[in-house]
Amino acid sequence: QSALTQPPSASGSPGQSVTISCTGTSSDVGGYKYVSWYQQHPGKAPKLMIYEVTKRPSGVPDRFSGSKSGNTASLTVSGLQAEDEADYYCSSYAGSNNLVVFGGGTKLTVL
Amino acid sequence: EVQVVETGGGLIPPGGSLRLSCAASGFTVSSNHMTWVRQAPGRGLEWVSLLFGGGGTNYADSVRGRFTISRDNSKNTVYLQMNSLRAEDTALYYCARGLSGSYDAFDIWGQGTMVTVSS
Repeated sequence: QSALTQPPSASGSPGQSVTISCTGTSSDVGGYKYVSWYQQHPGKAPKLMIYEVTKRPSGVPDRFSGSKSGNTASLTVSGLQAEDEADYYCSSYAGSNNLVVFGGGTKLTVL
Repeated sequence: EVQVVETGGGLIPPGGSLRLSCAASGFTVSSNHMTWVRQAPGRGLEWVSLLFGGGGTNYADSVRGRFTISRDNSKNTVYLQMNSLRAEDTALYYCARGLSGSYDAFDIWGQGTMVTVSS
């Protein structure tokens, strides 16, 4: 199962918005409502930020939002803050054989 | 406090075996699906295995036939038995709890246990 495709890097200034894409196929991202996004700071465990494409777990700021169109999912971070600088990974359900597939990760830099 | 703690990592020669443990507290592993995700040094996340609350299991192609996920309900602990280890299995192994109703959403993560496969 191939990893989902994410841009290696993204950046924005404080207060701006940035969108990170996650491209898969009709066998994963495009085929199901199960797309999640994780934030990972250096040396820390991943943190769930978005699940089922658009839902936010309790405690995640509403500056973080998710969407999907066809085989591409997106994470948008609005009102960028310094603490948003981290690696972001998308994941998707990929069917009953290889259940879960992750993206390669995007390093978000707050300028 | 709801948390999971992984143990059991270490340095192991190629072809060897190792068993990782994931002790949960604040929730019951048998009522949730539980997963193992690994991260090679400087690399991204890779899903490894999942154990459904009902007992079913699933594995990534890269470990199928070599790794086995299981749990001990009495100890509220999930395990990952890793056999025929290869250099490419070297990674930080995370245990995580699945969010109810979702396949790929994991909301509680441990800090990971490092596995190094080298002679």
